[in-house]
Parts: sequence; structure tokens; C-alpha cells
Amino acid sequence: GNSVTQMEGPVTLSEEAFLTINCTYTATGYPSLFWYVQYPGEGLQLLLKATKADDKGSNKGFEATYRKETTSFHLEKGSVQVSDSAVYFCALTLNNAGNMLTFGGGTRLMVKP
Amino acid sequence: EAQVTQNPRYLITVTGKKLTVTCSQNMNHEYMSWYRQDPGLGLRQIYYSMNVEVTDKGDVPEGYKVSRKEKRNFPLILESPSPNQTSLYFCASSLAAGGGYNEQFFGPGTRLTVL
Repeated sequence: GNSVTQMEGPVTLSEEAFLTINCTYTATGYPSLFWYVQYPGEGLQLLLKATKADDKGSNKGFEATYRKETTSFHLEKGSVQVSDSAVYFCALTLNNAGNMLTFGGGTRLMVKP
Repeated sequence: EAQVTQNPRYLITVTGKKLTVTCSQNMNHEYMSWYRQDPGLGLRQIYYSMNVEVTDKGDVPEGYKVSRKEKRNFPLILESPSPNQTSLYFCASSLAAGGGYNEQFFGPGTRLTVL
């Protein structure tokens, strides 16, 4: 089956630190990959996506590169802000499966001033 | 404003007392789905609907029912709730799921506690 594995949190960083949240996946076909973000008290929002190998998704200073050879999609940001504090979810969908998402367990990020 | 709304946002109930969580979207989306979020497990899909009167099971459908009588509404029904259904529930909607992925828009969540 399909699965997504993320590093467990919480991840606690100081403002302006470099962020990496690891994500690896297994899939029975060729997946599209996503990062979703959940701010406190809110629903999930799509942060970025990549649909094929070597694609780089980027948004709001966050980046992730689709690495087929290592089945990974690690999330990075060069300089985090307090406002980035949230829970981050890695997810995949198979390209022939419509909108059925498989999520990782989520990683809570806490950024301190 | 384009949005997905859920009601109630918080609910505490007792085992066996039937409840319904409503979900409504104003974006004319064909696809709607329900997820539950549990610590360390991420989001798992309960049921989804491709269009009016078309529903199907997700990964964890046991103990839940849904209906899709109107395009904008997709209520989640727990006929006889049990404590293991204590969770955070999200409704989501998107344009029709064709050959590729269409971004899903999520509601704010409903926190359910079953005593």
C-alpha cells in the first residue's frame, strides 16, 4: 500500500534558524507529493506540491524537491519566523487515484522569538 | 468568501447517542470528503463523495455514515458513537477528481469527544 513517514515532533527552533522536516514515502504507483500546513485552530492549507521527479515546489519561503531515487520530499526553509509555528503534513496521491490523499503523521513546529 | 464550514466546532457527547456533523461548501465543488485526525496518525479518510448521490468508503469508514443529497452539503453521521471515535474531524471539498489532483479545501475542524 501507500504510506508517508515524517519525522516526529515537536521541532523547536529559534527565529531565523534553518528548518528541515523529513518526509519519505512508499507508493504502488507514481505519486504527486504535497506539504500541507495547519495553523492553530484552523483546517489544513496546501503549502506546496510537486507532481513529478526532480520538481521543486515552493511557497512562502518553503521549498521541497521530489526525489524519486530516495523516495523523499523534505521540507526546508532558510529562515523561520514565529508565524511559521504550525503542524506540517506531508501527503501523497497517486495520479490515477483522483483526490485520495495519504497523509503522514504530522510534525509540529514551534518557533521561539 | 469561498469556504468550507462545519458545525458544530466542538461537541461532547455520550456513548450511543446519535449525532450529525454538518459540512457545507459554497464553491460548487463536486468532490467532498471527511477525515479524522489523530495524534501521530495524520489524517485518515472516512468517506468521500464524487458527486450528488455518489459516496464511497475511505480508509476508516466503520461506525460512520454519510449522505450527499445536495451538492453543497455532506453530513457525517455517527449512529452510535463510541469513545474510540473521539477525534478531530475535517471536511474537505474540491473540483471533480479527474485524472489528476485538484486541491482540496478544508473546513476548520470539529473536535468530538465521546464519553
